[in-house]
Amino acid sequence: AQKVTQAQTEISVVEKEDVTLDCVYETRDTTYYLFWYKQPPSGELVFLIRRNSFDEQNEISGRYSWNFQKSTSSFNFTITASQVVDSAVYFCALSGLDDGGATNKLIFGTGTLLAVQP
Amino acid sequence: EAQVTQNPRYLITVTGKKLTVTCSQNMNHEYMSWYRQDPGLGLRQIYYSMNVEVTDKGDVPEGYKVSRKEKRNFPLILESPSPNQTSLYFCASGRTAEKLFFGSGTQLSVL
Repeated sequence: AQKVTQAQTEISVVEKEDVTLDCVYETRDTTYYLFWYKQPPSGELVFLIRRNSFDEQNEISGRYSWNFQKSTSSFNFTITASQVVDSAVYFCALSGLDDGGATNKLIFGTGTLLAVQP
Repeated sequence: EAQVTQNPRYLITVTGKKLTVTCSQNMNHEYMSWYRQDPGLGLRQIYYSMNVEVTDKGDVPEGYKVSRKEKRNFPLILESPSPNQTSLYFCASGRTAEKLFFGSGTQLSVL
């Protein structure tokens, strides 16, 4: 079965602190994609990153970085020097395959609510 | 501007009154899908469509219908809404399911 677990329901930090959001996934597929989405208070879903299962290199984009470790089935997201505008719900997701091996959906975790206090 | 447009943004209705949430994309995408978001459950797929006239059930299809008569539109139909369908709904499209563009969401309340 495919599953995404975000064990942290809520995290509260003070501005400028670093924060890591955890994501653990389960899949038997050898090829898959992992994603992070941000949902600000306005409600829309903002795409942050997509990572192929064959690419374990960590990625950095400004204050955001992602650590993909196949050995522990984790795809963690770190925000450095957090800001109030980072306050949002963050979702980790995994690509799901149909019986024919084609991706037909994203499997989402339950989300982590990040509150950054000024 | 490339976008996925959902309407309405907010909807309050009563049990049993049929409703349709529209979804339209202007990117000529083959794949479209509907998700619902509930607290503590994340987003779950309701239905998806790999192309025109090709639709299939997702993880939570009960109580919903969809149609894909043309490429750009993928309406979500609730024939007889019930309170447990109160949720935030998202439409998504993409060339494939691996790179999705999401609509702004529809907050539905069924009284």
